[in-house]
Amino acid sequence: KQEVTQIPAALSVPEGENLVLNCSFTDSAIYNLQWFRQDPGKGLTSLLLIQSSQREQTSGRLNASLDKSSGRSTLYIAASQPGDSATYLCAVTQTSYTGTASKLTFGTGTRLQVTL
Amino acid sequence: GAGVSQSPSNKVTEKGKDVELRCDPISGHTALYWYRQSLGQGLEFLIYFQGNSAPDKSGLPSDRFSAERTGGSVSTLTIQRTQQEDSAVYLCASSPGQGANGYTFGSGTRLTVV
Repeated sequence: KQEVTQIPAALSVPEGENLVLNCSFTDSAIYNLQWFRQDPGKGLTSLLLIQSSQREQTSGRLNASLDKSSGRSTLYIAASQPGDSATYLCAVTQTSYTGTASKLTFGTGTRLQVTL
Repeated sequence: GAGVSQSPSNKVTEKGKDVELRCDPISGHTALYWYRQSLGQGLEFLIYFQGNSAPDKSGLPSDRFSAERTGGSVSTLTIQRTQQEDSAVYLCASSPGQGANGYTFGSGTRLTVV
């Protein structure tokens, strides 16, 4: 059974700092990995999607890496801003026995606060 | 539509009543998920529809919960005889092809059972 863990559970940094959020998964047979952002009381916003054959994806100040063999992904946020404050979730899409994409499993989340 | 649409956005119901939550996925998306998120908790998988295949219902917490997806598009999550512990945000997501291109989530339905 796939288990996805995120470290740290919570993080508070001053504005302008670069930071790294970590995600680990127990079953490396994944189809892809997706990072989401969730603001309080809101739904999920997709940030980055990394296919299993890729090593990283970048969007603006965000960079996500994937090391499938070790079961790890990191989300790097450069020059953090107060507007980055949210909960960040990683989720993996499993690969079925037929090789197609299957279930989506979420991590436990990292609650980020960027202070002025 | 442009995104995943869920209705209602908020629902307050009395304990013991039945509720129906609706999800309109992005047009053409074959995969659809329901999750719920209780206060301060992570996302709990409920049910997964993929095309015409039998749904994966392994996450439904009790037989009071059921879901259907008509015509491979709109999905309805039904909770019968609601209990206070059913209070949560219910999130729906869809994907064009079994998650190969990631998932898009709706804004959720906040259910409060009083």
